[in-house]
Amino acid sequence: KNEVEQSPQNLTAQEGEFITINCSYSVGISALHWLQQHPGGGIVSLFMLSSGKKKHGRLIATINIQEKHSSLHITASHPRDSAVYICAVCRGATNKLIFGTGTLLAVQP
Amino acid sequence: EAGVAQSPRYKIIEKRQSVAFWCNPISGHATLYWYQQILGQGPKLLIQFQNNGVVDDSQLPKDRFSAERLKGVDSTLKIQPAKLEDSAVYLCASSLITGGFSSYEQYFGPGTRLTVT
Repeated sequence: KNEVEQSPQNLTAQEGEFITINCSYSVGISALHWLQQHPGGGIVSLFMLSSGKKKHGRLIATINIQEKHSSLHITASHPRDSAVYICAVCRGATNKLIFGTGTLLAVQP
Repeated sequence: EAGVAQSPRYKIIEKRQSVAFWCNPISGHATLYWYQQILGQGPKLLIQFQNNGVVDDSQLPKDRFSAERLKGVDSTLKIQPAKLEDSAVYLCASSLITGGFSSYEQYFGPGTRLTVT
């Protein structure tokens, strides 16, 4: 079993829909990251959080430390949101990142 | 502020050949990471440097992979000889020196896509 599990693995949505991607982890962490990766592109950090909730534009990230669970929400989704969304947890004295396998999101116009 | 730079962006080589990748982290970032991302998987840490010292290289296949960061700034990752299973995107990331919440933020470069035929 992976230390970081994401669901769903693939997600297709219609433009304007509300999207939720989930991340569960089984280890103690110092922070959790949500990252975005476009095809052929590098990785962009969307959020880094250790508690509560953060919002940036149409993106919202929440984390429940007790339940070892985080969610990424996209409101009013748009085709340009199509990408792979990766959850990664930061742990250990060296701040090592452990990555989930990603969620491939396709938003259709 | 300039981001993490990597080159080349793409490389195609035959198996048993050697290849080298270069990374220039964000200015002032003491920690540098090399990741391997195989298609359909999340990135896997190969090696982590703090300044010019190795912090973690537990998942680096040392029989064929090597990395250095001689002056604590730029870094090179080398594969010699390459195998078919080395086909992947090689990502470089950097962060401030470890310690404190802000140091957990990693900034990624665009990656180098390696194809071994």
